[in-house]
Amino acid sequence: KAGVTQTPRYLIKTRGQQVTLSCSPISGHRSVSWYQQTPGQGLQFLFEYFSETQRNKGNFPGRFSGRQFSNSRSEMNVSTLELGDSALYLCASSALLGTFYNEQFFGPGTRLTVL
Amino acid sequence: TQLLEQSPQFLSIQEGENLTVYCNSSSVFSSLQWYRQEPGEGPVLLVTVVTGGEVKKLKRLTFQFGDARKDSSLHITAAQPGDTGLYLCAAMNYGGSQGNLIFGKGTKLSVKP
Repeated sequence: KAGVTQTPRYLIKTRGQQVTLSCSPISGHRSVSWYQQTPGQGLQFLFEYFSETQRNKGNFPGRFSGRQFSNSRSEMNVSTLELGDSALYLCASSALLGTFYNEQFFGPGTRLTVL
Repeated sequence: TQLLEQSPQFLSIQEGENLTVYCNSSSVFSSLQWYRQEPGEGPVLLVTVVTGGEVKKLKRLTFQFGDARKDSSLHITAAQPGDTGLYLCAAMNYGGSQGNLIFGKGTKLSVKP
């Protein structure tokens, strides 16, 4: 079974630009979550989607947005990029529902550098 | 705000040594997870603990969930260079859903041959 894939793996942008990152979950997984990882703040939750609906959103500005398609693939978009947006963006997918704990499978991430 | 605090932040040891990593919080969690992340990769789930006092073993790794479900530890016996990586604890955010995890900032382990 193929794992979670993320594209692109590396991205360099300049301040003020926008960027779109893509995530394909494991086949059959309907939940996709996004996280931002930086050396200073660690892993922080961005948002979670299930069946094309956003279920939860972390404490990030409105410049960060996302969506999920009917095939469970997900995209996240960051507009008006700032230097502080440089980070590893991780996508995770999960299949379990109805349990009180989840097992998330992470992709390799997209390394975004903002110059 | 729920926080998971990990200690130590960095750990550099020689092959064959034992080590323990801690994950602490003032909040109670229904479950807690441990992940390992290698450079250039996403975190990989090692274990989920759900019962207070629970102990789980994964080869040379022993995970324990505190009785009050506020803390956890990871003990590695006879560490090997392949154990090198970033160890993260995580828990489901209060009032959140299953895809919404909070993470500790991690313990960066380096095992030298």
